[in-house]
Amino acid sequence: DAKTTQPNSMESNEEEPVHLPCNHSTISGTDYIHWYRQLPSQGPEYVIHGLTSNVNNRMASLAIAEDRKSSTLILHRATLRDAAVYYCIPLGGSQGNLIFGKGTKLSVKP
Amino acid sequence: SAVISQKPSRDICQRGTSLTIQCQVDSQVTMMFWYRQQPGQSLTLIATANQGSEATYESGFVIDKFPISRPNLTFSTLTVSNMSPEDSSIYLCSVGDWLREQYFGPGTRLTVT
Repeated sequence: DAKTTQPNSMESNEEEPVHLPCNHSTISGTDYIHWYRQLPSQGPEYVIHGLTSNVNNRMASLAIAEDRKSSTLILHRATLRDAAVYYCIPLGGSQGNLIFGKGTKLSVKP
Repeated sequence: SAVISQKPSRDICQRGTSLTIQCQVDSQVTMMFWYRQQPGQSLTLIATANQGSEATYESGFVIDKFPISRPNLTFSTLTVSNMSPEDSSIYLCSVGDWLREQYFGPGTRLTVT
């Protein structure tokens, strides 16, 4: 399994952009990069995933380095509801099980 | 998308007893997963449950302690057997596959006294 490195915590101000980094230098060529987040007292929820090119959806953008050894989750305008633990998870193979690391705890200040 | 419900949402149990947690999905799914989240920790996969086959357990988890049933494509149960205080955790089920997103239930908060 590919190992990931994420900051333990980050802070942001409300309505400002947030860039959450993730290093996954041992990722295999067929692993997708998934991001999930877990709001307090809830189960994790899917945020976004990608393979090589940058991806956008209604929640966030995912910027993937050309060598795929790192990626950045971008929240364009942080809201108080975005305060959560964010997990970066390389995922591939025939099994669809997610391996959760410690993630980054994002705090959003009003 | 998939909507997942779990029962019970929380329970307080005595050591030595067993608790069965139910997971219901609003659509038919092939793969279901059970996770444990110990206090202040990240999620750990317990097992993968595919309908029609035996559950596959991750290292450190055994069938005698965490028996799983998967009778159909929308339902699964996880039993926590012969509980001890170390089993106090949140137990979550999820569905999905590695090509698309996974959906998680709200979790069952178990406290063992």
